[in-house]
Amino acid sequence: AQSVTQLGSHVSVSEGALVLLRCNYSSSVPPYLFWYVQYPNQGLQLLLKYTSAATLVKGINGFEAEFKKSETSFHLTKPSAHMSDAAEYFCAVSDRGSGNTGKLIFGQGTTLQVKP
Amino acid sequence: GAVVSQHPSWVICKSGTSVKIECRSLDFQATTMFWYRQFPKQSLMLMATSNEGSKATYEQGVEKDKFLINHASLTLSTLTVTSAHPEDSSFYICSASELAAGADTQYFGPGTRLTVL
Repeated sequence: AQSVTQLGSHVSVSEGALVLLRCNYSSSVPPYLFWYVQYPNQGLQLLLKYTSAATLVKGINGFEAEFKKSETSFHLTKPSAHMSDAAEYFCAVSDRGSGNTGKLIFGQGTTLQVKP
Repeated sequence: GAVVSQHPSWVICKSGTSVKIECRSLDFQATTMFWYRQFPKQSLMLMATSNEGSKATYEQGVEKDKFLINHASLTLSTLTVTSAHPEDSSFYICSASELAAGADTQYFGPGTRLTVL
């Protein structure tokens, strides 16, 4: 069975500083991994995804994530935070072990606060 | 591309009534649609998975007779909360997997805020 753990429910950075949101996964099959962002009272927007191609994945809004199998990690980074990055971020792994349903298992979420 | 809409965006109803929420993929055909609920400051909890033309698969602990799901076409799925009670108040979000893209990515709707008085 798959699972995802996001380390740190709340991360605070200054505007212009590096953003690092941590995600570790557990999967019995090669995983598909995703990062989504959610703004208040809205649905989720896909930032980026890893589906067994390049281990360094670039997404929208300057975010990127690196798949590290040895560390079972898929941390999200952005070199320079912007005020508009303040939101809730979810890491997810796709449940591809049960008939390829594509069911997503989400982490607990990390709230990113960006201080001026 | 890959836009998913939900209607209504918010609804307030009296206890005991039923509420229907629509989820539409606007510019693609969806093999599968998913329904989630989200409580404040919490993650998304998958309620059920639905495929066009077949019965939905519900997650453990989700009452299928209370949360009726109909996936009538490749672009429309509906969730009906029957005999709603205050504890059903939540943020309901749907997502859809794109048929042409190999169904490995879910695109999410904007969510529906349900308040049961």
